[in-house]
Amino acid sequence: DADVTQTPRNRITKTGKRIMLECSQTKGHDRMYWYRQDPGLGLRLIYYSFDVKDINKGEISDGYSVSRQAQAKFSLSLESAIPNQTALYFCATSAPGQGKDTQYFGPGTRLTVL
Amino acid sequence: GESVGLHLPTLSVQEGDNSIINCAYSNSASDYFIWYKQESGKGPQFIIDIRSNMDKRQGQRVTVLLNKTVKHLSLQIAATQPGDSAVYFCAERAGFQKLVFGTGTRLLVSP
Repeated sequence: DADVTQTPRNRITKTGKRIMLECSQTKGHDRMYWYRQDPGLGLRLIYYSFDVKDINKGEISDGYSVSRQAQAKFSLSLESAIPNQTALYFCATSAPGQGKDTQYFGPGTRLTVL
Repeated sequence: GESVGLHLPTLSVQEGDNSIINCAYSNSASDYFIWYKQESGKGPQFIIDIRSNMDKRQGQRVTVLLNKTVKHLSLQIAATQPGDSAVYFCAERAGFQKLVFGTGTRLLVSP
């Protein structure tokens, strides 16, 4: 979805390096999410934020941190990257209403940790 | 705990056939379900959703069926086209509006 952008789209880094992945959205949604996708494991939630002052851990938050700089921006950091953090990372946004909470995804960042 | 699974990891169909992708869920309290399509190199794209107070919902060439008795969800694609080739995920809303995703089914459409 072009309304959700992620930078960079691809990144190769070395073990121990600090990495930041950025997400921006123009949908005006309050809720933002970071997921990790590995083959055969589907999408797993790393962190989520329901508004600018709200940050919550997901199911696999160890080794990651996030910052919600504004309603439109949510960044994911790997403080000291390790090879098993090699994966596809997706940002998503949502705005619940009418009993729904559809999430809209960005194009993803492919991260390789050597 | 909650889990969302898929019966078949890969589904191969001929162009023009109807496709049915299945999904089982375990949380009887889930009240909202979504189907996503993910093409190679792209993020998941919303296809259709359904709330638990409905059994069926139709979109353009797609229909989602929900059977709460057996906790089963399916996505039907009519007149499947090569552009439908992708991985399809179901997701259920578990607890406080967090989605739980299945591992995905790859749909392969041959001409």
